[in-house]
Amino acid sequence: DAGVTQSPTHLIKTRGQQVTLRCSPKSGHDTVSWYQQALGQGPQFIFQYYEEEERQRGNFPDRFSGHQFPNYSSELNVNALLLGDSALYLCASSLSGRGLGGYTFGSGTRLTVV
Amino acid sequence: AQRVTQPEKLLSVFKGAPVELKCNYSYSGSPELFWYVQYSRQRLQLLLRHISRESIKGFTADLNKGETSFHLKKPFAQEEDSAMYYCALSKANAGGTSYGKLTFGQGTILTVHP
Repeated sequence: DAGVTQSPTHLIKTRGQQVTLRCSPKSGHDTVSWYQQALGQGPQFIFQYYEEEERQRGNFPDRFSGHQFPNYSSELNVNALLLGDSALYLCASSLSGRGLGGYTFGSGTRLTVV
Repeated sequence: AQRVTQPEKLLSVFKGAPVELKCNYSYSGSPELFWYVQYSRQRLQLLLRHISRESIKGFTADLNKGETSFHLKKPFAQEEDSAMYYCALSKANAGGTSYGKLTFGQGTILTVHP
């Protein structure tokens, strides 16, 4: 089992551009959460998807949007990139109703905005 | 609002010494508390959760609702314990499951010297 896989691992974007990050959950998991981790900080919750709908959202602007597909994979989209969006973006999957905080995390996508 | 505070950014101990990583939280409801660990060049992974009251790799953590703390302890630290440790909080649902967002502390880097 490959666990949670994220792509790409690194990317560099220019301010104002748009970016799409991808996540495949662990086999058997149906819920995907996205976190942003700035340097030296703990992960910050962006949103969570279940049954292809956003179930919960953190304090992030509408520039951050997501999608979940029927196969439970997910995308995170960020529009109008700002320098402050540079961070490690983590995807975490879990099985709804059995979470108990036992999320499985991916290795993350390192986004650099220049 | 949920908040997790880890007052120590860095903690150094010698092998065989006891170690305690502090975590304090603020939350008005009934919380679920967790410790996550990230070893060098590895992804974030769950170490233990308070609800299961288990001991993993010799680590234990007791939830003290009076002091709103969830400190992580180990009586004899090992060099392989060197890692980044995050305390995290989630909302406990009536059904005993927790699928909501995780609120992380800023993390404590533990270094165990030989």
